[in-house]
Amino acid sequence: GAVVSQHPSRVICKSGTSVKIECRSLDFQATTMFWYRQFPKQSLMLMATSNEGSKATYEQGVEKDKFLINHASLTLSTLTVTSAHPEDSSFYICSAREGAPLNEQFFGPGTRLTVL
Amino acid sequence: DAKTTQPPSMDCAEGRAANLPCNHSTISGNEYVYWYRQIHSQGPQYIIHGLKNNETNEMASLIITEDRKSSTLILPHATLRDTAVYYCIVRDPDYGGSQGNLIFGKGTKLSVKP
Repeated sequence: GAVVSQHPSRVICKSGTSVKIECRSLDFQATTMFWYRQFPKQSLMLMATSNEGSKATYEQGVEKDKFLINHASLTLSTLTVTSAHPEDSSFYICSAREGAPLNEQFFGPGTRLTVL
Repeated sequence: DAKTTQPPSMDCAEGRAANLPCNHSTISGNEYVYWYRQIHSQGPQYIIHGLKNNETNEMASLIITEDRKSSTLILPHATLRDTAVYYCIVRDPDYGGSQGNLIFGKGTKLSVKP
């Protein structure tokens, strides 16, 4: 299947700092990219959906000013966790959907964020 | 909310077939059934999907009932590396809005034992 990469795979930061996570579709152009968050022993929760060149659509309860999403090209989306706090520690997973006709969706390997 | 229900956990002996059930009684006509799995601390991996016919690929088989209200994922010869959480998701891939998104339920934790 298609490949989606994320960088970094792990990040540890101090409380109050901002962290940027990159998501790239390596062998296809992604019309839509998604960001999920997963807490320990829980399922993936969709945070936001973004289309290239448009503002992201955030799910209910997700603060758009805290989780900044930029989808500048058809192969790159970034998630910036601003002023991170320990409760933001989680596993962040991006996903990319290719365009029609297949519209299939592929996932990155995830980024483990630990805020001290 | 997820539109599927799955048993929280299942065990399977190595080398035997693993049959993972999924109920999706409110599935609509345009929605496909997708299966993904997540091995610990990794991103979800696509396994298979189908609309109404049974499907088979190199990883698994998908059996969908005639009324489409339930399905079964079959791993024909489970190995220890198949230990993972398996997610059954219904989705309309042609829908550009939120109904086209992959919404994860709690999945089934499959443990393959030697």
